[in-house]
Amino acid sequence: EVQLVESGGGLVQPGRSLRLSCTASGFTFGDYAMSWVRQAPGKGLEWVGFIRSKAYGGTTEYAASVKGRFTISRDDSKSIAYLQMNSLKTEDTAVYYCTRDPLGGDYWGQGTLVTVSS
Amino acid sequence: QSVLTQPPSASGTPGQRVTISCSGSSSNIGSNTVNWYQQLPGTAPKLLIYSNNQRPSGVPDRFSGSKSGTSASLAISGLQSEDEADYYCAAWDDSLKGVFGGGTKLTVL
Repeated sequence: EVQLVESGGGLVQPGRSLRLSCTASGFTFGDYAMSWVRQAPGKGLEWVGFIRSKAYGGTTEYAASVKGRFTISRDDSKSIAYLQMNSLKTEDTAVYYCTRDPLGGDYWGQGTLVTVSS
Repeated sequence: QSVLTQPPSASGTPGQRVTISCSGSSSNIGSNTVNWYQQLPGTAPKLLIYSNNQRPSGVPDRFSGSKSGTSASLAISGLQSEDEADYYCAAWDDSLKGVFGGGTKLTVL
């Protein structure tokens, strides 16, 4: 059974950093691109970015709203995708989902809440 | 302001057919495929339609998708109370960014 489990969310002050993890199981993690999608409270879905599989260079793409502040990486040996978030802003407050696929695929995690507030 | 435009709300009665539209541009819907997602209250989104009109295993054939030019549509036939949810369209943009619609809240009257 495919499972994606996000962790690492919490309350953080503006300007600080936080790293989210997405632990995968039930499939060959290294064969897939992985993406992050977020949802601010009461708002719609926003694509954050994705990382290609190593077979496609393991490179990344980001939304303009997070480029330069957020970094997606992966550890295929541990089946984990990471979202490093730096210089956090109050508008980054959201539930962050990881999903299999560059855009938002057939499997999603349950999400982890990140609250940016002083 | 979302890149893809959806109506904020839609409604129908049980058994009815409803459609939800998604409007984009030549750089996203016009040149790439469209996905649709269903999000029930308090849960993660679920892939409903991919590649414009393909249903993942387990999605009832009451749900169908179509695309024409720079617009796409999701149709739900035989509307049921459990279809009450938020629906989102999404597409890849030629600028190598993913874009979502603002979402449509479907109410089953």
